[in-house]
This record gives sequence, structure tokens and C-alpha cells, in this order.
Amino acid sequence: NAGVTQTPKFQVLKTGQSMTLQCAQDMNHEYMSWYRQDPGMGLRLIHYSVGAGITDQGEVPNGYNVSRSTTEDFPLRLLSAAPSQTSVYFCASSYTGLAANNEQFFGPGTRLTVL
Amino acid sequence: AQKVTQAQTEISVVEKEDVTLDCVYETRDTTYYLFWYKQPPSGELVFLIRRNSFDEQNEISGRYSWNFQKSTSSFNFTITASQVVDSAVYFCALSRTGSARQLTFGSGTQLTVLP
Repeated sequence: NAGVTQTPKFQVLKTGQSMTLQCAQDMNHEYMSWYRQDPGMGLRLIHYSVGAGITDQGEVPNGYNVSRSTTEDFPLRLLSAAPSQTSVYFCASSYTGLAANNEQFFGPGTRLTVL
Repeated sequence: AQKVTQAQTEISVVEKEDVTLDCVYETRDTTYYLFWYKQPPSGELVFLIRRNSFDEQNEISGRYSWNFQKSTSSFNFTITASQVVDSAVYFCALSRTGSARQLTFGSGTQLTVLP
């Protein structure tokens, strides 16, 4: 199993450009989520999904879109990048069953810089 | 609303010293999970421990130990005989039970172990 994979690892954008951060998992997890990590603020939830076709907003959703067409993939889209979106982005996944104990598996992260 | 506070922004110790990282949380839920993650300089998030709110037993794993006190809403992490490889940012996190797996992270504690 590859676990949770994220691409790209690094990305530099200019203000106003759009891009999609990719996240995939091969563990058949129902739950997937995106976090951003900023210095001194820990990780904050952007969007999450409890299954294909179902998404919801987290703490800091503005400027980001998501969709979940398959169980495996959960892409994060920036429609018009802003310098405030410079951050490290982590994707995570987990089972949602009662026995799952909420353990989440994190991807390696994508470091995004918006100039 | 849930909140996790890690009041110690940075800690520096000399190798072989013991060090305790503090974590205080707030939640209105009666059942929840608490976590500790390690983020080494390479940037990935490493899962260390998960604790169910029903289980207040302390846990020891090698040089690591965790002290969960529900009465004070604290989940502290102690490293005994610290090593240089323990240098990392450590995050405490809280999640609700049920199908939603959103994690609320503290802001992290940067631990530096000097040789």
C-alpha cells in the first residue's frame, strides 16, 4: 500500500493563478480531509469528506474548492491563488467505522508558495 | 467549539534530560479522542499516540509516556532521557467521535535537544 500520496511536493504560483493539489489513498478510507499548516498556528482544517459525493467545510475554507468523485481521490483546488495561501498543505484519510478509533493517516505534504 | 492549547512554544534541553510537553484541551463532548503527533525537520507528521476519553490510564512506550487527566483537561507528554533525534515539533490534537474525524490541533511545541 502506498498510503496517502500527495502531488506535487513543492509548487510556486503567481497571484491569481489556479492549480489543483492532488491527494490519493489506497486504503479504501471513507473519510478524507485537507489541512493547512502555518507557522505558529498548527494545522487547520480546510475541507473534509465522509464519502464519495459528500464534502463539507472546515475551519478555513475560503479560497478553496473540493470535490470527491471517487473514494480514492480528494483534490483541493485554488481558483485564484493569493499570497495568504502560502502554506504547507496536508491531506489525511481514515476509516469512519466505530472500531476505527479515529486514527488518521497523513500524506507527506505539499509546500505551496504564492508570489 | 473545541480548542487545544500548547502553551510552550519552544523548549530546549540538553541530551539525556527529561522533558514534558504540556497540552490542555477544551471540548463540550463527553467522548472524544486525543492525539500526539511528531513533525521532524523533514516535515512529515508521525503519529505517536491516541487516547480515548474513557481511558484515563497513563501509557508508557519506551522513553515516551503520556499523562491523561480528565479532571484538568490535560494530556501531557514526557520524553525520558531525551536524544538529539527527538528534536522536532510536537502537536497535540483533539477529535470528536462518530463519522466526522476532524482534528483540532494545538499550535505545536518546538523541542530542541542539544548534544
